[in-house]
Amino acid sequence: NAGVTQTPKFRVLKTGQSMTLLCAQDMNHEYMYWYRQDPGMGLRLIHYSVGEGTTAKGEVPDGYNVSRLKKQNFLLGLESAAPSQTSVYFCASSYSLRSRGGSLFFGPGTRLTVL
Amino acid sequence: KQEVTQIPAALSVPEGENLVLNCSFTDSAIYNLQWFRQDPGKGLTSLLLIQSSQREQTSGRLNASLDKSSGRSTLYIAASQPGDSATYLCAAPFTGTASKLTFGTGTRLQVTL
Repeated sequence: NAGVTQTPKFRVLKTGQSMTLLCAQDMNHEYMYWYRQDPGMGLRLIHYSVGEGTTAKGEVPDGYNVSRLKKQNFLLGLESAAPSQTSVYFCASSYSLRSRGGSLFFGPGTRLTVL
Repeated sequence: KQEVTQIPAALSVPEGENLVLNCSFTDSAIYNLQWFRQDPGKGLTSLLLIQSSQREQTSGRLNASLDKSSGRSTLYIAASQPGDSATYLCAAPFTGTASKLTFGTGTRLQVTL
């Protein structure tokens, strides 16, 4: 099993450009998440999904959109990138967090720089 | 506001020492608590998950305890090694937000030779 994979690993954007980050998991997990990690701020939840076709806002959703058209994929979009979105983005997946199988599995991250 | 706090932010110990990392949470109504490890430039790896009905979980040299009534969890690392150097984070899904984990900001551990 590949676990959770993220594409791309690194990206540099100019202000105003758009891009999509792709997350894929092969563990048949229902729940998927997008986090950003910034120095001194810890991990902050951007958006999440509790199943195919569902999405919900997290702690810092502004400037981002997501889609979960297939159970194994969760896409994070930046429509008009801003320097404040420079960060490391992590995708994660799990079975229900309330269940005994509720461990969260993380991808390796995408390092995004917006100039 | 439901918060998870980890103190200290950084810790340095000599190889071989036993050590304890602390995690506190503001609301005792949690489903479970997880401990993660993050190496520099890498994603997070789940180490241990303690269900709310459990008091502790063990994996090798790691032992995690949970005391919901006091809002505290500890991660005990026995006989520390330089390879244990990493950032350790705890996280919990609070009831009412069961689909989401709230993370602490982590303790950066360095084990020196």
